[in-house]
Amino acid sequence: DIVLTQSPGTLSLSPGERATLSCRASQRVDSSYLAWYQRKPGQAPSLLIYATSIRATGIPDRFSGSGSGTDFTLTISGLEPEDFAVYYCQQFGGSPLTFGGGTKVEIK
Amino acid sequence: EVQLVQSGAEVKKPGESLKISCKGSGYIFTNSWIGWVRQMPGKGLEWMGNIYVGDSETRYNPSFQGQVIISADRSINTVYLQWSSLKSSDTAIYYCARTSPGVWFDPWGQGTLVTVSS
Repeated sequence: DIVLTQSPGTLSLSPGERATLSCRASQRVDSSYLAWYQRKPGQAPSLLIYATSIRATGIPDRFSGSGSGTDFTLTISGLEPEDFAVYYCQQFGGSPLTFGGGTKVEIK
Repeated sequence: EVQLVQSGAEVKKPGESLKISCKGSGYIFTNSWIGWVRQMPGKGLEWMGNIYVGDSETRYNPSFQGQVIISADRSINTVYLQWSSLKSSDTAIYYCARTSPGVWFDPWGQGTLVTVSS
């Protein structure tokens, strides 16, 4: 199985600050098969980014994804109040599909 | 609008059976794959398996193979997740989501909370 390790577990930041979230894979992941999701409290996860760097429909450009091989990054360039949530990376190139453990972005 | 609507919360006792559902609308449901994802309390997301609605081809995460059954009724645009004998460790939120092999999950259903307690 491809294990995805997200760090940090919790990120405490203020609105307007930049958030950098890491997702490290135990094996190489084709960049076409790496996605990021956002889950707000009481809501289902929603797609943010797919194929490492392509924003899903309606996602503002303050969200960006990058990376290759085993190291991937989600960056939020200036946190808005609605961005405080839990973020998960997912690889869907290998079976079983796997998710990272999540990074919680909380208000400092 | 593409939408997946899941059945409501369930409270069951250990040993009972359960079948929860996920109904699609706003697109050609029959030509899609639907995945199920578990989120146990305070934990992350775990992929359980996918089903192709058109012919019910199913692919399971080995960790869930034999523990649950994923099925579909394409005549009513609905996919199911079922247990024959629930355990307390099945307490979780279960999400369905549209997907395909090698494709991300989007959109997601609203989730079904399953609580198993004596």
